[in-house]
Amino acid sequence: SQTIHQWPATLVQPVGSPLSLECTVEGTSNPNLYWYRQAAGRGLQLLFYSVGIGQISSEVPQNLSASRPQDRQFILSSKKLLLSDSGFYLCAWSVVSDTQYFGPGTRLTVL
Amino acid sequence: SQQGEEDPQALSIQEGENATMNCSYKTSINNLQWYRQNSGRGLVHLILIRSNEREKHSGRLRVTLDTSKKSSSLLITASRAADTASYFCATTTSGTYKYIFGTGTRLKVLA
Repeated sequence: SQTIHQWPATLVQPVGSPLSLECTVEGTSNPNLYWYRQAAGRGLQLLFYSVGIGQISSEVPQNLSASRPQDRQFILSSKKLLLSDSGFYLCAWSVVSDTQYFGPGTRLTVL
Repeated sequence: SQQGEEDPQALSIQEGENATMNCSYKTSINNLQWYRQNSGRGLVHLILIRSNEREKHSGRLRVTLDTSKKSSSLLITASRAADTASYFCATTTSGTYKYIFGTGTRLKVLA
């Protein structure tokens, strides 16, 4: 069966520090991968998606970047965090455009 | 950009009552999906309805889709306290891999 992992679960970082969030998927090949951010009590904002290794589509211009170094690994990064980067980050995968399967999320607080 | 909007934003009902929430979207879709999110967790897929379908059932869930009105509704019958969560609709469009999520409905079921 398929499994999606995200880590860390929670993270507190100072403004200006770097960020690296990792997401890995097990049990499927060549998934579409997604990064979302969710502000408290709000909907999901699509940040990046990838349909293959090295292919990244950016939806929102900001100081975040994403990379897909392996088929089932998706990384969200920042060189310098801003206060506005705080939020709940969710990774998800799908095959074609049907059901999306979400990871448990990372709660990021930037102080 | 977010294109889905859901109403109501919040709903509070007694256990055993039915809960109805609505989703509107702006463009032609390939399919529409409903997800549930418990507080602080990732989203869980509930049901998918394709653009050529009008109604779908899964257990206590009933989803309808009206493409002429660009709207969908999710009905949860005989609600339970465990149904307390936020519910989101998401749409996909042919030719893209993106999912556009609505703003969500926060459902509270009182025991």
